[in-house]
Amino acid sequence: GAVVSQHPSWVICKSGTSVKIECRSLDFQATTMFWYRQFPKQSLMLMATSNEGSKATYEQGVEKDKFLINHASLTLSTLTVTSAHPEDSSFYICSASTGGNSGYTFGSGTRLTVV
Amino acid sequence: GENVEQHPSTLSVQEGDSAVIKCTYSDSASNYFPWYKQELGKRPQLIIDIRSNVGEKKDQRIAVTLNKTAKHFSLHITETQPEDSAVYFCAASSPGGGNKLTFGTGTQLKVEL
Repeated sequence: GAVVSQHPSWVICKSGTSVKIECRSLDFQATTMFWYRQFPKQSLMLMATSNEGSKATYEQGVEKDKFLINHASLTLSTLTVTSAHPEDSSFYICSASTGGNSGYTFGSGTRLTVV
Repeated sequence: GENVEQHPSTLSVQEGDSAVIKCTYSDSASNYFPWYKQELGKRPQLIIDIRSNVGEKKDQRIAVTLNKTAKHFSLHITETQPEDSAVYFCAASSPGGGNKLTFGTGTQLKVEL
């Protein structure tokens, strides 16, 4: 079946530094990548939607200059958390789609802790 | 945009009993309704889904029903087992909304021995 590889699975960084999270679709072409953030005991909140070769569409309240999304190819999308602060500590997870709502494949998630 | 509400937030049942989780959605154009099971620190796992042209779907102990008129859908788990204990999320998506999934708030299901 479809597989999305997400790395790293966990990362600890200092305040003010940047962290890059990668999601790769291993056996299919991900036309669309969705990036979610999940705080403890809460639901998945969509941060942005990216289509290959296009600028990402951010949800209301999500700072596009802080959460940089790149979807340069059909198999790779990255999320960079810039100038991270402790309040950015969360579980970040990507979800890839081949288009439409034919199916969504989730990455394994990244636990980010900012100290 | 789409708004999905989910109830209850916690549900405790005895092993062997049935569990029902309910969700309502706001966007009448939504046409895809998946249910996910998420264990702590793991990715959501699709357990069943339903599209708007179907009213009910069943897969062994799991079933989902959809009422488009009332804009609500429900997850039914029969003969619950301890390994069913997890957080369950409903979600909805519509073509007009860019096919993004909007998740419900989640239900912590605990199956007690």
